[in-house]
Amino acid sequence: AQSVAQPEDQVNVAEGNPLTVKCTYSVSGNPYLFWYVQYPNRGLQFLLKYITGDNLVKGSYGFEAEFNKSQTSFHLKKPSALVSDSALYFCAVRDISNYQLIWGAGTKLIIKP
Amino acid sequence: KAGVTQTPRYLIKTRGQQVTLSCSPISGHRSVSWYQQTPGQGLQFLFEYFSETQRNKGNFPGRFSGRQFSNSRSEMNVSTLELGDSALYLCASSSDTTSGTYNEQFFGPGTRLTVL
Repeated sequence: AQSVAQPEDQVNVAEGNPLTVKCTYSVSGNPYLFWYVQYPNRGLQFLLKYITGDNLVKGSYGFEAEFNKSQTSFHLKKPSALVSDSALYFCAVRDISNYQLIWGAGTKLIIKP
Repeated sequence: KAGVTQTPRYLIKTRGQQVTLSCSPISGHRSVSWYQQTPGQGLQFLFEYFSETQRNKGNFPGRFSGRQFSNSRSEMNVSTLELGDSALYLCASSSDTTSGTYNEQFFGPGTRLTVL
């Protein structure tokens, strides 16, 4: 069955430390992979995507994500966290064999000063 | 370009009533998706339209329906409202193409529906 897992409901990181928000997926076809962010009381915003090519993709606000085909993962990373990165992060996967866009449950990222 | 707009922004209804929400996508976008967001259930996919055709549908009861017009504007309708339908309803558009390019979604601010 198609699925996207964000195994951590919440991730706590101290400001200045590196952060990782995990995402693994299971789809039948080739995936298009996306990360979105929802800041408090604001709408969902696109962060970055992987379609093809280099496994490391860079996005907005200094975020990057690495596509790992063998581990079917697409973890979101940032070398140095900011308090303003505190938000809800969603991973989404498009299975291009059937158009299905599957969303993870979201991970709340809390950056402490 | 103007972003995705949703109307109304806030709505209060009573159980048993029906409601229609509207979404205007970014100009040129042919794909529109609808989501329900609640604190307990997170982001739940309702349906996706592309060029007036429903491309995908989530696991919601038949009380939830939608459509897309030739100008790509979309509406969703919820009939016989229940208390549990209280949520933020988000619309998103993307510049997907008929040749199979699937792009990122741009979200509107949402319609906050409260069912009393």
